[in-house]
Amino acid sequence: AQKITQTQPGMFVQEKEAVTLDCTYDTSDPSYGLFWYKQPSSGEMIFLIYQGSYDQQNATEGRYSLNFQKARKSANLVISASQLGDSAMYFCAMEDSNYQLIWGAGTKLIIKP
Amino acid sequence: DTAVSQTPKYLVTQMGNDKSIKCEQNLGHDTMYWYKQDSKKFLKIMFSYNNKELIINETVPNRFSPKSPDKAHLNLHINSLELGDSAVYFCASSQDLPASGGSGTGELFFGEGSRLTVL
Repeated sequence: AQKITQTQPGMFVQEKEAVTLDCTYDTSDPSYGLFWYKQPSSGEMIFLIYQGSYDQQNATEGRYSLNFQKARKSANLVISASQLGDSAMYFCAMEDSNYQLIWGAGTKLIIKP
Repeated sequence: DTAVSQTPKYLVTQMGNDKSIKCEQNLGHDTMYWYKQDSKKFLKIMFSYNNKELIINETVPNRFSPKSPDKAHLNLHINSLELGDSAVYFCASSQDLPASGGSGTGELFFGEGSRLTVL
């Protein structure tokens, strides 16, 4: 069965430190996509980064990078130089070949000044 | 201009009522979605339309009916509201069909969410 697991329900990180948010997935599809979204307290969902299963290089978007380890089925999000505004819920999601988006339970990240 | 806008942002109503949430995207995208975010923060897909055609119809009560008058709009109508319908509902759009084969751009644009409270 398709599944996304985020094992960290909550994290506290000091401002300016790097943070890694874990995400593992389970699928038998050879083709899939992996996403990370940020949901601040205001509630909107903000796209951060995407990795296709056939992409050779890890995706990067500004301070966000996705550490894609296909053999381990992990797609961890790395935020460099964390900022107070990074405090939010972070969701990992997987898109499969049947148009399904499967979401993780989310990680609540709190950046401490 | 908001790329994906949904109205209303907040909706409080009594059990048994019928209500609608509207969604519009001005991105020229072909595919639109409705998601339900439950109390545990899981986002579950409910429906997806591509060029006004229903392509995903998850197991939701038939009290929920999506309507897509054109590809820029996907409205969600809910009949006979129940307490368990209380949630935040998100509309989203993407340029392509969901990235079957991992070949899409990957980007889903979400609306700000509509918080529905059923009393």
